[in-house]
Amino acid sequence: KQEVTQIPAALSVPEGENLVLNCSFTDSAIYNLQWFRQDPGKGLTSLLLIQSSQREQTSGRLNASLDKSSGRSTLYIAASQPGDSATYLCAVRTGSSASKIIFGSGTRLSIRP
Amino acid sequence: SQTIHQWPATLVQPVGSPLSLECTVEGTSNPNLYWYRQAAGRGLQLLFYSVGIGQISSEVPQNLSASRPQDRQFILSSKKLLLSDSGFYLCAWSPSELAGAPFNNEQFFGPGTRLTVL
Repeated sequence: KQEVTQIPAALSVPEGENLVLNCSFTDSAIYNLQWFRQDPGKGLTSLLLIQSSQREQTSGRLNASLDKSSGRSTLYIAASQPGDSATYLCAVRTGSSASKIIFGSGTRLSIRP
Repeated sequence: SQTIHQWPATLVQPVGSPLSLECTVEGTSNPNLYWYRQAAGRGLQLLFYSVGIGQISSEVPQNLSASRPQDRQFILSSKKLLLSDSGFYLCAWSPSELAGAPFNNEQFFGPGTRLTVL
């Protein structure tokens, strides 16, 4: 059974720092991995999607990497800003059925001005 | 561009009352549609998904039901709410494989409905 874990559950860093959020999954047989951002009381915003054949994806200050063999993905945020404060979730797709999308519980990120 | 709407944004209902949450998608045809529930401090739980009109798959046995009366409309319902139904309900869509998109495409989420059952 696929399990997705995000550690730490919460993280607080000063503005301007580069930081890494972690996502690990127990079954390396995935089709893709998607990173989302969720602001308090809001829906999820898609940040990056990495297909199983890819190693990384970049969007602006965000870079997501994928290492299927070790069951890990990282989301790198460069030059963090207070506006980056949010909960970040990762989700892996392990099959063609919609039921095979498994979410982590998220990392709540706080950027201190 | 595609947009997804959910309403209401917030809802407070007494135990035993009925429920109807609505989700609509604009700018795409024959999307895959999903209902998730997010409990406080926990991950997303997939409740239902649909690959077409009238086609509903249930992932969690409970007192909730879903319907898809139109291509871009997805409704979550209950006849009698329980306290445990409280949570944040999210609707999502993804491009349909039937429309030519790969099945492992992105998911896009709506703004959510905060349901409190008292």
